[in-house]
Amino acid sequence: SQKIEQNSEALNIQEGKTATLTCNYTNYSPAYLQWYRQDPGRGPVFLLLIRENEKEKRKERLKVTFDTTLKQSLFHITASQPADSATYLCALDNQGGKLIFGQGTELSVKP
Amino acid sequence: DGGITQSPKYLFRKEGQNVTLSCEQNLNHDAMYWYRQDPGQGLRLIYYSQIVNDFQKGDIAEGYSVSREKKESFPLTVTSAQKNPTAFYLCASDGGGGGQPQHFGDGTRLSIL
Repeated sequence: SQKIEQNSEALNIQEGKTATLTCNYTNYSPAYLQWYRQDPGRGPVFLLLIRENEKEKRKERLKVTFDTTLKQSLFHITASQPADSATYLCALDNQGGKLIFGQGTELSVKP
Repeated sequence: DGGITQSPKYLFRKEGQNVTLSCEQNLNHDAMYWYRQDPGQGLRLIYYSQIVNDFQKGDIAEGYSVSREKKESFPLTVTSAQKNPTAFYLCASDGGGGGQPQHFGDGTRLSIL
């Protein structure tokens, strides 16, 4: 069956360190993969999109990798700040417009 | 500023009652989506619409209904047939066709009285 999994446990890191979040999937062949940030009681906010033929994408302190052989995406936040604390969601896009979301990983950055 | 507006922010439903959640966008997007989010879970797709006057069922459509009479509006009705309606409901839109970021509203939290 099709499955998408993110780290189920919350990730706690110290300010200034790099946070790395994982998104694994099985039985999909997504054309794109997207990452979103969600704060409590708010809707998700789009962060980055990476295509299946791209290995890596960067935006300011954010970096996403996409390995279609391993069926895995890694999301990195460098020089993390307490303001980065939120839940991060990955989503697979099969080109039909419908997204399939993981359950999210809660990140907590301590000062 | 363009965006998506969901209302109300909080909604309470009595047993046997239908309730309607509003979603309006001024982004000129063709596609709109309704998701349900339960604690500790990802977003699950209820219904989506890629063009006016057309919509398709998502993964958990039972007990819900939608309409898409205008490009800007995609209301969701939670019917009395939905036996476990307590959840956070999110509306989103994008330009359609895949490979597009989705823009989300700030959700409606529905509870049962």
